[in-house]
Amino acid sequence: KQEVTQIPAALSVPEGENLVLNCSFTDSAIYNLQWFRQDPGKGLTSLLLIQSSQREQTSGRLNASLDKSSGRSTLYIAASQPGDSATYLCAVNSEDTDKLIFGTGTRLQVFP
Amino acid sequence: SQTIHQWPATLVQPVGSPLSLECTVEGTSNPNLYWYRQAAGRGLQLLFYSVGIGQISSEVPQNLSASRPQDRQFILSSKKLLLSDSGFYLCAWSEGINEQFFGPGTRLTVL
Repeated sequence: KQEVTQIPAALSVPEGENLVLNCSFTDSAIYNLQWFRQDPGKGLTSLLLIQSSQREQTSGRLNASLDKSSGRSTLYIAASQPGDSATYLCAVNSEDTDKLIFGTGTRLQVFP
Repeated sequence: SQTIHQWPATLVQPVGSPLSLECTVEGTSNPNLYWYRQAAGRGLQLLFYSVGIGQISSEVPQNLSASRPQDRQFILSSKKLLLSDSGFYLCAWSEGINEQFFGPGTRLTVL
């Protein structure tokens, strides 16, 4: 059974820092991995999708990497801003279930 | 471009009352549709998904049901709400096993 873990559960950093959020999954048989952002009381916003054949994807200050064989993904946020404060969720689309399996998220706070 | 709508945005219902939440998608055809619930302090739980009109798969036995009367419409229902049905309900769509896009959610409080 696929399980997704995110570390750390919470993170508080000063504005301007570069930071890394971690996601690990137990079964490497995945179609893709997706990173989302969720603001309090809101829906999920898709940030990046990495197909299983890809190693990384970039969008603006965000860079997501995927090491499928070791079951790991990282989300790198460059030059963090207070507007980046949110909960970040990773999810894997697992081959055995054809469904997204979510981690429990990392709650990020960037203070001025 | 594609958009996804959910309504209502918030709902407060007494225990034992019925429920109907609606989700519609624009700008795509034959999408996969999903209902998730996010309970306080917990992760997202997939409740139902649909790959076509009238095709519904249930993930967790519960007090809820789903229907897809039209290609881009997905409805979550209950005949009698329980306190444990409270939570944040999210609808999502995808084209096959690809990127999922989520709606704004419905906050349900059962009293």
